[in-house]
Amino acid sequence: EIVLTQSPATLSLSPGERATLSCRASQSLNYLAWYQQKPGQAPRLLIYDATNRATGIPARFSGSGFGTDFTLTISSLEPEDSAVYYCQQRSYWPPTFGQGTKVEIK
Amino acid sequence: EVQLVESGGGLVQPGGSLRLSCAASGFTFSTYWMHWVRQTPEKGLVWVSRISSDGSSTNYADSVKGRFTISRDNGENTLYLQMNSLRADDTAVYYCATEGSGYRFDNWGQGTLVTVSS
Repeated sequence: EIVLTQSPATLSLSPGERATLSCRASQSLNYLAWYQQKPGQAPRLLIYDATNRATGIPARFSGSGFGTDFTLTISSLEPEDSAVYYCQQRSYWPPTFGQGTKVEIK
Repeated sequence: EVQLVESGGGLVQPGGSLRLSCAASGFTFSTYWMHWVRQTPEKGLVWVSRISSDGSSTNYADSVKGRFTISRDNGENTLYLQMNSLRADDTAVYYCATEGSGYRFDNWGQGTLVTVSS
């Protein structure tokens, strides 16, 4: 199965700063999504097919990348962006998730 | 507004059974493929099972195949997961989710905790 490796494990930044999260796949992908999960809540779809924002997602969230290297960027961090972010691939069965990057707001 | 509400979790002994339910509202349930995904601190998010909109097609992760059965009642807008021969490593929070497009999980319920322990 496809392994997704996310880095860094934790990112600690101040409000207004730019966050760059990485997801690297063990094989080339056509479809990659990003999810946000806050404590005690379910994951929420942020980005699908690498670059498309899901409905209602603020424009400060953007996705990029292709092949095996993908990036989630939060252009200007808000306090409510404190969460764990997961990437997920659906190019190969079974669908798999990365282990997550925790974003902490200082 | 899409709402998914899971129920049926709890404490069960190894080898036991449990049936999870996911009550759907706010969308046309009968037109959506549906999934179960589970989460543990150790393994993270893991896809478990999928069912087609009419219930005629199902598939399962290797780790649960032969033990878990996914089903749905479109008249009651409810998704189910029958879990048999439960093992300690089935302990997890179980989420139901709608499929947006081929294994993309667009909307999630709040989850229900299953604990398998003696």
